[in-house]
Amino acid sequence: NAGVTQTPKFQVLKTGQSMTLQCAQDMNHEYMSWYRQDPGMGLRLIHYSVGAGITDQGEVPNGYNVSRSTTEDFPLRLLSAAPSQTSVYFCASTPSQGQPSSPLHFGNGTRLTVT
Amino acid sequence: AQSVTQLGSHVSVSEGALVLLRCNYSSSVPPYLFWYVQYPNQGLQLLLKYTSAATLVKGINGFEAEFKKSETSFHLTKPSAHMSDAAEYFCAVSESGGYQKVTFGTGTKLQVIP
Repeated sequence: NAGVTQTPKFQVLKTGQSMTLQCAQDMNHEYMSWYRQDPGMGLRLIHYSVGAGITDQGEVPNGYNVSRSTTEDFPLRLLSAAPSQTSVYFCASTPSQGQPSSPLHFGNGTRLTVT
Repeated sequence: AQSVTQLGSHVSVSEGALVLLRCNYSSSVPPYLFWYVQYPNQGLQLLLKYTSAATLVKGINGFEAEFKKSETSFHLTKPSAHMSDAAEYFCAVSESGGYQKVTFGTGTKLQVIP
């Protein structure tokens, strides 16, 4: 009963380094998304996907790339990390896009520090 | 555009006391409203949701919320706080716009004092 799995749990990067945050779900959900959580700012949407091969930008997409080659996986890439990207990142999914009554299912997060 | 306002970033209550966490929303269409709870070092979990079936919504762990359209509010309550309720609580509003657009409030950290 895995749900949404995020790896790694913690990561420290130096400015300019790149990395990929992994997200996988085993619930056959169409919709997947990435949020960042910062103190006093709630959760802000970075990118989302409504199905394999389809992605779009959210509220704060700059500095991040995504792709969705399979239904299960939705990795988030930081091409050149900056201290402003220090945050906790959450992946979330829901069964079907366009159904506003459907709640999000969250992973346990990746805590990223950029020095 | 939709938005969510949570009054009070930190709320402290004594064990056994009433819990009241406030949420006000704005939405151009009838909203779907959610409360999520986040325990330390974990992701968010659904506590309850409003989908227009009933204005008083009961959730897990004894929490409930009442949708008041005239006040554009969806406050979360629990009659008697337990130590295990200490967590951060997020109110969220959802609209359909080609994709599921969810807007979160800034969160309220609940401290329960023994």
